Amino acid sequence: NAGVTQTPKFRVLKTGQSMTLLCAQDMNHEYMYWYRQDPGMGLRLIHYSVGEGTTAKGEVPDGYNVSRLKKQNFLLGLESAAPSQTSVYFCASSYLQTKASGGETQYFGPGTRLLVL
Amino acid sequence: QQPVQSPQAVILREGEDAVINCSSSKALYSVHWYRQKHGEAPVFLMILLKGGEQKGHEKISASFNEKKQQSSLYLTASQLSYSGTYFCGTASFGNEKLTFGTGTRLTIIP
Repeated sequence: NAGVTQTPKFRVLKTGQSMTLLCAQDMNHEYMYWYRQDPGMGLRLIHYSVGEGTTAKGEVPDGYNVSRLKKQNFLLGLESAAPSQTSVYFCASSYLQTKASGGETQYFGPGTRLLVL
Repeated sequence: QQPVQSPQAVILREGEDAVINCSSSKALYSVHWYRQKHGEAPVFLMILLKGGEQKGHEKISASFNEKKQQSSLYLTASQLSYSGTYFCGTASFGNEKLTFGTGTRLTIIP
């Protein structure tokens, strides 16, 4: 199993350009997440999905859109990139979360480094 | 609101012990711990559940004080491989998604 994969690994954009980050998982997980990681800020949730066809906003959703057309894929889009979106983006997935289980282990992809000039 | 981790950074010699703390202002029902090595993805270490159940790593232990909404991660007899940044993620009632702390950078030197 490949686990969680992310494409691309690194990208440079100019301000105003658009791009899509692809996340794929082969573990049949229901939940998928997009985080951004900035120095000193830890991991912050951008958007997440609790199943195919559903998405929801996280802590820092502005400037991003997502889609989950297939259970195994979760796309993160930047419509008009800004320098403030320079960051490392991590995708993660997990099984269905329940309170009784305390939440399930999240499996992270290798990350995408994005530089917006 | 992100949980607060302390210390922000610590340097240890191989074989020494370390304690990393995670504190939240919200009522928690679980705390998760992850480790991230430089340039890599975070990797799961353990989950601590309300009620005291603990699932995770063999050589790393942790505690969860439900009344104080605090968790501590204990790394004993540290090895070089323990180096990295440790994150706690908290799940609270009404917000089951994880909220991660800002991390504690642990450096183990020979």
